[in-house]
Amino acid sequence: NAGVTQTPKFQVLKTGQSMTLQCAQDMNHEYMSWYRQDPGMGLRLIHYSVGAGITDQGEVPNGYNVSRSTTEDFPLRLLSAAPSQTSVYFCASGIRQVAGNQETQYFGPGTRLLVL
Amino acid sequence: AQTVTQSQPEMSVQEAETVTLSCTYDTSESDYYLFWYKQPPSRQMILVIRQEAYKQQNATENRFSVNFQKAAKSFSLKISDSQLGDAAMYFCAYRRPVHGSASKIIFGSGTRLSIRP
Repeated sequence: NAGVTQTPKFQVLKTGQSMTLQCAQDMNHEYMSWYRQDPGMGLRLIHYSVGAGITDQGEVPNGYNVSRSTTEDFPLRLLSAAPSQTSVYFCASGIRQVAGNQETQYFGPGTRLLVL
Repeated sequence: AQTVTQSQPEMSVQEAETVTLSCTYDTSESDYYLFWYKQPPSRQMILVIRQEAYKQQNATENRFSVNFQKAAKSFSLKISDSQLGDAAMYFCAYRRPVHGSASKIIFGSGTRLSIRP
C-alpha cells in the first residue's frame, strides 16, 4: 500500500490563479479530509468527506472546493488563490468508526503552497 | 465547541531523560478519542498514541505513555528514555464519536520538542 499520497509537494501560485491539490489513498477508507497548517495554529480542517459523493465543510472552507467522485481520490481546488492561502496542506484518510472500535487517521506528506 | 490547548510552545530534554508534554481540552461530550501526533521535520503526521475516553487505563506504546485525567480534561504525553529521533513537533488532538456524522479531528497548536545530546 502506498498509503495517502499528495501531489504536488510544492507549488508557487500568483494571486488569482487556480489550481488543484491532489490526494489519493489506496486503503479503501471511507473518510477523507483536508487540513491546512499555519505557524502557531496547529491544523485546521478545511473540508471532509465520509464517502464517495458526500462532502461537507470544516472550520475554514472559504476559498476552497472539494469533490469526491471515487473512494480513492479527494482533490482540493483553489478557485482564485490569495496570499492568505499560503500554507502547508495535509490530506488524511481514515476508517469510519464502527461499534466503538479503533479508528486511525493516516496523513499524507503534505503540499507546501506559496501564493504571491 | 470543543477546544484543545497546548500551553508549552517549546520543550527541551536531555537525551535518555523523561519529558512530559501537557494538553488540556474542553468538551461537553462524555465519549471521545484523544490522540498525540508527531510531526518531524519531514512534515509527515505520525500517530503516536490514542486514548479512548471510556477506558480508564492509560494508553502505552513502548516509550510513550499518557496520563489521562478525564475529570480534569487533561491528556499529557510522557516520553521515557528520550532519543534524538524524538525531536519533532507534537500535536494533541481530540475527536468526538462519529455516530453517523463525520470524524473531525481538532488539533492543538503544538509543542516543539528538542533533544539535547
